[in-house]
Amino acid sequence: DSGVTQTPKHLITATGQRVTLRCSPRSGDLSVYWYQQSLDQGLQFLIQYYNGEERAKGNILERFSAQQFPDLHSELNLSSLELGDSALYFCASSTRLGYNEQFFGPGTRLTVL
Amino acid sequence: AQKITQTQPGMFVQEKEAVTLDCTYDTSDPSYGLFWYKQPSSGEMIFLIYQGSYDQQNATEGRYSLNFQKARKSANLVISASQLGDSAMYFCAMREGQGDYKLSFGAGTTVTVRA
Repeated sequence: DSGVTQTPKHLITATGQRVTLRCSPRSGDLSVYWYQQSLDQGLQFLIQYYNGEERAKGNILERFSAQQFPDLHSELNLSSLELGDSALYFCASSTRLGYNEQFFGPGTRLTVL
Repeated sequence: AQKITQTQPGMFVQEKEAVTLDCTYDTSDPSYGLFWYKQPSSGEMIFLIYQGSYDQQNATEGRYSLNFQKARKSANLVISASQLGDSAMYFCAMREGQGDYKLSFGAGTTVTVRA
């Protein structure tokens, strides 16, 4: 158990809908990262937050947004969902700025029908 | 261009034998870190080992060791004394620089350990 929690574990929804994925980092970790794992794109970095502030952005679609709250948990919002958004979404956290390791949560498997 | 290349899509290894997973990387930044993660069929990503670009010695963590050849830009993972529980997908990843800390991942290598 990495200490990073993600909810829900599975999510099935329809095209055009909006969902929110939640992540709680390990106790004391200030940095949160979101990654998407799909069959065609592999594992891709989406976005990073550090102590509430957006730190880096990757190949995140405009339909996707995220935030990190004062208690350091983070939410990834996916809207106007398309079939191609079906993927495993991981949250990872690290103590400082991910220098030595990032600990991954169990992931949320999103299926868009 | 691919930052991380894993050329072995799948490998078979006999239980108790060692296996080497290849990883080459591409960066012009002198400061970077290399990571290996294991993803079993259950889906979670398990951190295995880390090597910093300035580390003089190869990293080791139990049965895992990283064969770091800086000039060749390779960071191969060696798993010694393979166990059935080692059957999984293995990903090599890199963090570049000291700005943002996102990881770039390779395509992964599936390892199947045979009894």
